[in-house]
Amino acid sequence: DIQMTQSPSSLSASVGDRVTITCRASEGIATWLAWYQQKPGKAPKLLIYSASSLQSGVPSRFSGTGSGTDFTLTISSLQPEDFAIYYCQQTYSFTFGGGTRVEIK
Amino acid sequence: QITLKESGPTLVKPTQTLTLTCTFSGFSLNTGGVGVGWIRQPPGKALEWLAVIFWDDDKRYSPSLKTRLTITQDTSRDLVVLTMTNMDPVDTATYYCAHATLRGYDSSYSFDYWGQGTLVIVSS
Repeated sequence: DIQMTQSPSSLSASVGDRVTITCRASEGIATWLAWYQQKPGKAPKLLIYSASSLQSGVPSRFSGTGSGTDFTLTISSLQPEDFAIYYCQQTYSFTFGGGTRVEIK
Repeated sequence: QITLKESGPTLVKPTQTLTLTCTFSGFSLNTGGVGVGWIRQPPGKALEWLAVIFWDDDKRYSPSLKTRLTITQDTSRDLVVLTMTNMDPVDTATYYCAHATLRGYDSSYSFDYWGQGTLVIVSS
């Protein structure tokens, strides 16, 4: 099984901050990685696919980089609506990471 | 407009079999590059992928749950069914179905449309 490890598990940030979340795969997955945002009581929302492709309708302040085993999701300027939990998912055999909670500082 | 909706029992007893139905519209599972998956989330915990079925009837399962899961499709009725045997209280979770699309320069699937989820409680 491919394991996905996210870090940090939670972070506190202020509106306007640049935020980076990391996801590491237990083996190489090329660019087979997606990022999702989940708000309380809601279904996850796809943000990024193929490691760096922005899903239609997602603001450009979200970006993804990486290949192989190490990936990052960056929010260039955190907005109030971005406080949520973020999950990575390897799209080879579909395992999710443990999530990163982004909280208001 | 793609929509998906999960349905099934809210309460099941331990050892029983859970049957969940995902009814969808706005796409066909007969179309190449399309799939429907199931993902669950225990209260306050992370997402866990369970299974996916693709347009060509290829099926994939979570290795840790493979022996308990069966995913099938009924293309004439636009629905996908997931069964999970031998339910246990640790299986209490919100169960989501989601539409998967094949795309990107690496030709990978990602879940771009999700249902609202259905809460399943396992208790005697």
